[in-house]
Amino acid sequence: GAVVSQHPSWVICKSGTSVKIECRSLDFQATTMFWYRQFPKQSLMLMATSNEGSKATYEQGVEKDKFLINHASLTLSTLTVTSAHPEDSSFYICSASRQGYAGELFFGEGSRLTVL
Amino acid sequence: DAKTTQPTSMDCAEGRAANLPCNHSTISGNEYVYWYRQIHSQGPQYIIHGLKNNETNEMASLIITEDRKSSTLILPHATLRDTAVYYCIVRVGGTGANNLFFGTGTRLTVIP
Repeated sequence: GAVVSQHPSWVICKSGTSVKIECRSLDFQATTMFWYRQFPKQSLMLMATSNEGSKATYEQGVEKDKFLINHASLTLSTLTVTSAHPEDSSFYICSASRQGYAGELFFGEGSRLTVL
Repeated sequence: DAKTTQPTSMDCAEGRAANLPCNHSTISGNEYVYWYRQIHSQGPQYIIHGLKNNETNEMASLIITEDRKSSTLILPHATLRDTAVYYCIVRVGGTGANNLFFGTGTRLTVIP
């Protein structure tokens, strides 16, 4: 099946620094990728929709200047958490849709961010 | 997208069938039923989806009632590796939908 890979799988950073998370579709082209955030014992919450070659669409309440999304190619989207704070510590997950798969989404393994 | 209701948690003995119910009474005619699962600290994994007919694949079976207001995911022979949170999602089929609403899901624990 289709594979979506995230990197890094976990990262620890100091408060105030920026962290970049990559999401790659390994064996298909993804014009649309989605970024989710999941806090402990909670469900996934959609943060933004990333479209190749255009600006991302952010969900209500998600700061676009804090969570920078870039989708420069058909196989790569990046999420940069700028000036990270402890409350940004979370599990970040990306997914991609693939043409011909009737709305099925393929998810990455997730990236756990811990901000000290 | 229509919302779903699932039990918070369920237990199942290893080797037995796990039947996970889902209510989606407000489902529209063009909305599919999707099931995903999330093993601890991993990304969600697609299991199966259907519109109105029952579906079966190598992972599970999906039984959708005739009125489509509820469905049941069946894992025929549960193993310890099936312990996960199972999400039932209804949404319009086709690519481009931008909000896969996961809800709280059912935490299935397979017991040795």
